[in-house]
Amino acid sequence: QLQLQESGSGLVKPSQTLSLTCAVSGGSISSGGYSWSWIRQPPGKGLEWIGYIYHSGSTYYNPSLKSRVTISVDRSKNQFSLKLSSVTAADTAVYYCASRTVTTAFDIWGQGTMVTVSS
Amino acid sequence: QSALTQPASVSGSPGQSITISCTGTSSDVGGYNYVSWYQQHPGKAPKLMIYEVSNRPSGVSNRFSGSKSGNTASLTISGLQAEDEADYYCSSYTSSSPWVFGGGTKLTVL
Repeated sequence: QLQLQESGSGLVKPSQTLSLTCAVSGGSISSGGYSWSWIRQPPGKGLEWIGYIYHSGSTYYNPSLKSRVTISVDRSKNQFSLKLSSVTAADTAVYYCASRTVTTAFDIWGQGTMVTVSS
Repeated sequence: QSALTQPASVSGSPGQSITISCTGTSSDVGGYNYVSWYQQHPGKAPKLMIYEVSNRPSGVSNRFSGSKSGNTASLTISGLQAEDEADYYCSSYTSSSPWVFGGGTKLTVL
């Protein structure tokens, strides 16, 4: 059973770069046909898709965040990462990693990690 | 890309059926059969309940069903149970984003 676990800094200063990692267990991040996503949820609000990376390395980003987002894969560690630059208080949210594996939807989710942007 | 439109809240009594709508455009809900629904309990990660408009992942109760007509998708929960009380989000593939979520619907079981 594939499992995902987020980790990273819970507090980031304004204008700095948010960095998170999602460890994949129970399967390989190189599995064909899978994609690996980041999704966030501001406190008390709805979900926002940030972007994803395919097993091939191709990336797709939300146009509203594209200029600040980088998603990458580290196959040697079986994990993928999110970097979001020039953060503001509006980037404060619970950040989830998720994957599309056996379906065309986000069928596996991590537990989420809260990131607060504050000086 | 604007979020898909969902009612802020719906409610129903145990045993009843409820339907949550998700309205988009021909560029998302109406143009693709990649509509999915997620259930989220407080403090928990979302859980996939329906994918590709009407398909249930393994392990999801058959009390949950999905459909689509034009630019509006719907999630129906029959035989409402107390454990169904949660937030529900729809999502769709779009021609621009490529994924967008609805604003979420809070389901209250009376």
